[in-house]
Amino acid sequence: QQQVKQSPQSLIVQKGGISIINCAYENTAFDYFPWYQQFPGKGPALLIAIRPDVSEKKEGRFTISFNKSAKQFSLHIMDSQPGDSATYFCAASIVSNYQLIWGAGTKLIIKP
Amino acid sequence: DGGITQSPKYLFRKEGQNVTLSCEQNLNHDAMYWYRQDPGQGLRLIYYSQIVNDFQKGDIAEGYSVSREKKESFPLTVTSAQKNPTAFYLCASSIGGTMLNNQPQHFGDGTRLSIL
Repeated sequence: QQQVKQSPQSLIVQKGGISIINCAYENTAFDYFPWYQQFPGKGPALLIAIRPDVSEKKEGRFTISFNKSAKQFSLHIMDSQPGDSATYFCAASIVSNYQLIWGAGTKLIIKP
Repeated sequence: DGGITQSPKYLFRKEGQNVTLSCEQNLNHDAMYWYRQDPGQGLRLIYYSQIVNDFQKGDIAEGYSVSREKKESFPLTVTSAQKNPTAFYLCASSIGGTMLNNQPQHFGDGTRLSIL
């Protein structure tokens, strides 16, 4: 019940296309859902996060869509660029807790 | 520039040897974390410290030890009891020990540990 399931494991998208990464969770107590971006040889960095009181959050080309009833959330990258090529991790947490539960990651490659 | 410094970037361990990974932060964060990252898996929490002189085990603490004698430092020792230590180790910090106010975890650039 503590798991966060992330798909796909890898994704190849043409430059200018839309990249979509999906995550699903079981624990209905989760109330904080961040996405992290990791480049090779670097640590992850927070990209965007959402709380369950909203169904969508947009920051530039990055959008989180959240479906509370389905217990799913997804990251959409619009107009994908080669510089977006990285590994993306979704995570979930209870906001009053310290522990992030991480998805397994998606390796995204944007082809020029 | 404020941030988290992990050293060394690459580390090799001989069988039966303990090694210590360094993590220093100048962000004035109270909470610090150690994660292990293996290919195709998410980050797994090894240890967590919310305040100086206090730390708690994470999901995979066996074979590891930590100390938190100073706010800015949280070294991780990989002991000989850890039978499969080859991995990428990430240190992180956050302002507080919870996700309140969407306080993110800030990560260092990791240490890659390999067995000789």
